[in-house]
Amino acid sequence: SQTIHQWPATLVQPVGSPLSLECTVEGTSNPNLYWYRQAAGRGLQLLFYSVGIGQISSEVPQNLSASRPQDRQFILSSKKLLLSDSGFYLCAWGRLAVSTDTQYFGPGTRLTVL
Amino acid sequence: AQKITQTQPGMFVQEKEAVTLDCTYDTSDPSYGLFWYKQPSSGEMIFLIYQGSYDQQNATEGRYSLNFQKARKSANLVISASQLGDSAMYFCAMREGSSGGSNYKLTFGKGTLLTVNP
Repeated sequence: SQTIHQWPATLVQPVGSPLSLECTVEGTSNPNLYWYRQAAGRGLQLLFYSVGIGQISSEVPQNLSASRPQDRQFILSSKKLLLSDSGFYLCAWGRLAVSTDTQYFGPGTRLTVL
Repeated sequence: AQKITQTQPGMFVQEKEAVTLDCTYDTSDPSYGLFWYKQPSSGEMIFLIYQGSYDQQNATEGRYSLNFQKARKSANLVISASQLGDSAMYFCAMREGSSGGSNYKLTFGKGTLLTVNP
């Protein structure tokens, strides 16, 4: 069965500090990978998605970036965090070969920027 | 315009009763998929049920069923025999385009907070 991991689970960072959030998927190959952000009390906003190694599409221009160095690894980064970067970050994976095209989510990382 | 609209910020239901969570969508694409996710206080998004635009029958998954009314562009989630553990945020989402196409993205509504009372 497939599992998706995210770390760290929680993170408190000062404004202007760098960020690196990691997501890994097990039990599947060549998944589509996604980064979402959820602000407090809000819905999910798609930040980045990737259909393969080194292939990143950005949905929202901002000070965040994403990379996919390996097939089942997806990293969200920032060189300098802003207060507005606080939120709950969710990684998800999906496979188009599955008819439902369902995306399955990881446990999330709660980021607080002070 | 919003693609997914959930008009109920919060809903209350008594344990063991049924509840309907509303979702309307907006798309001009003839091929699309509709999803419901549950988000408990822990934060993880849990997939519940899926309905494809060409599916002839309403989707069902255990206590969850999707009341799909294509002409009205609505995809309401029905939870039967509510349990205390059903208390959570519920999100409706849509994927536009057919499987294998270039659109891999889900668009989410703002969610409905369901509280099940004992």
